[in-house]
Amino acid sequence: KQEVTQIPAALSVPEGENLVLNCSFTDSAIYNLQWFRQDPGKGLTSLLLIQSSQREQTSGRLNASLDKSSGRSTLYIAASQPGDSATYLCAVSGGGSNYKLTFGKGTLLTVNP
Amino acid sequence: DTAVSQTPKYLVTQMGNDKSIKCEQNLGHDTMYWYKQDSKKFLKIMFSYNNKELIINETVPNRFSPKSPDKAHLNLHINSLELGDSAVYFCASSPEWVGYEQYFGPGTRLTVT
Repeated sequence: KQEVTQIPAALSVPEGENLVLNCSFTDSAIYNLQWFRQDPGKGLTSLLLIQSSQREQTSGRLNASLDKSSGRSTLYIAASQPGDSATYLCAVSGGGSNYKLTFGKGTLLTVNP
Repeated sequence: DTAVSQTPKYLVTQMGNDKSIKCEQNLGHDTMYWYKQDSKKFLKIMFSYNNKELIINETVPNRFSPKSPDKAHLNLHINSLELGDSAVYFCASSPEWVGYEQYFGPGTRLTVT
């Protein structure tokens, strides 16, 4: 059974700082990994999708890496802004869970002005 | 244009009642999902339909019954509501059921009193 862990559970940083969010999964036989953002009381917004054959994906100030063999992914946010404050969720497809997404519990990010 | 929409956004009802939540996507996707986010914010899949066919059915009480009248719609009917059903229910869709990003709706906050 696939399990996804995100560390840290919460992170508070000053504006302008670069930061890294971590995600680990127990079964490396995944199809892909997806990073989401969830704002309070809102739905999930897809940020980046990394296929199992890829090592990283970039979108603007966001860069996600994937090391499938070690069961790890990181989400790097450059030059953080208060508008980046949200919960960031990592989810993997596959790895003993067939094609469904298995989610981590998220990292609550607060960027202070 | 709303990609994945859900109605209602909020639903407050009493124990024992039957209620439905509706979901529609205008993305032309083949696959739709229902997720439950509990009070601890943990997100877990309940059901998935691909081309109106049920492909994922997690260990969910049979009081929950999904129905997909066509590819663009996936409804969730809940019978005999219990206090523990209180949660946020998210609908999502993806182009196909393997290897693609999932797009989420805004969620329906269900409160059972």
